[in-house]
Amino acid sequence: GENVEQHPSTLSVQEGDSAVIKCTYSDSASNYFPWYKQELGKRPQLIIDIRSNVGEKKDQRIAVTLNKTAKHFSLHITETQPEDSAVYFCAARIQGAQKLVFGQGTRLTINP
Amino acid sequence: EAGVTQFPSHSVIEKGQTVTLRCDPISGHDNLYWYRRVMGKEIKFLLHFVKESKQDESGMPNNRFLAERTGGTYSTLKVQPAELEDSGVYFCASSQPYGVRGTEKLFFGSGTQLSVL
Repeated sequence: GENVEQHPSTLSVQEGDSAVIKCTYSDSASNYFPWYKQELGKRPQLIIDIRSNVGEKKDQRIAVTLNKTAKHFSLHITETQPEDSAVYFCAARIQGAQKLVFGQGTRLTINP
Repeated sequence: EAGVTQFPSHSVIEKGQTVTLRCDPISGHDNLYWYRRVMGKEIKFLLHFVKESKQDESGMPNNRFLAERTGGTYSTLKVQPAELEDSGVYFCASSQPYGVRGTEKLFFGSGTQLSVL
């Protein structure tokens, strides 16, 4: 079955700097890759997603890139702000299936 | 629009006891998922309902776990008897019916923190 590895497990950056979180997946049949953000005490929420027919997607300060050949995808956050502090989860979904397989999560801390 | 509701938010029980978690999905969401996160690890899939039918229960750990979704509305997840390794946060998520735009987007509940002592 699909396996998703996420790195790093913790990340600390200065406010205003960029943050990058990387994930690799094992099943080349995966075709949908969402990112979820979980703030402290709150529920995970979708922040951005990408499909396998697209290499990059951007939404304001966040972007996701996908390299199908290498089977990895990354979340990029620019001009980080204190409210970006949270746990971020990547996930992958195999074509034809509906369940998501999640990575281990990255705790991002933005230092003022 | 009301979100996915889970209760209780926290449950502390002793090993061997029974606990039942409940999830109320967003109205109209045929798809309902249960996930679990053990401390510091991935959010792990448990099972998936489409309406009242179990579509995929490949992630259920063992027969101590029983999930139901009678009538295709709310769902319950019962753990009986609970073991120490069952501790973790149990998330429920729901999504639009298959074929509807955005069906892949999961809406999560706030989770139930289960502690088995």
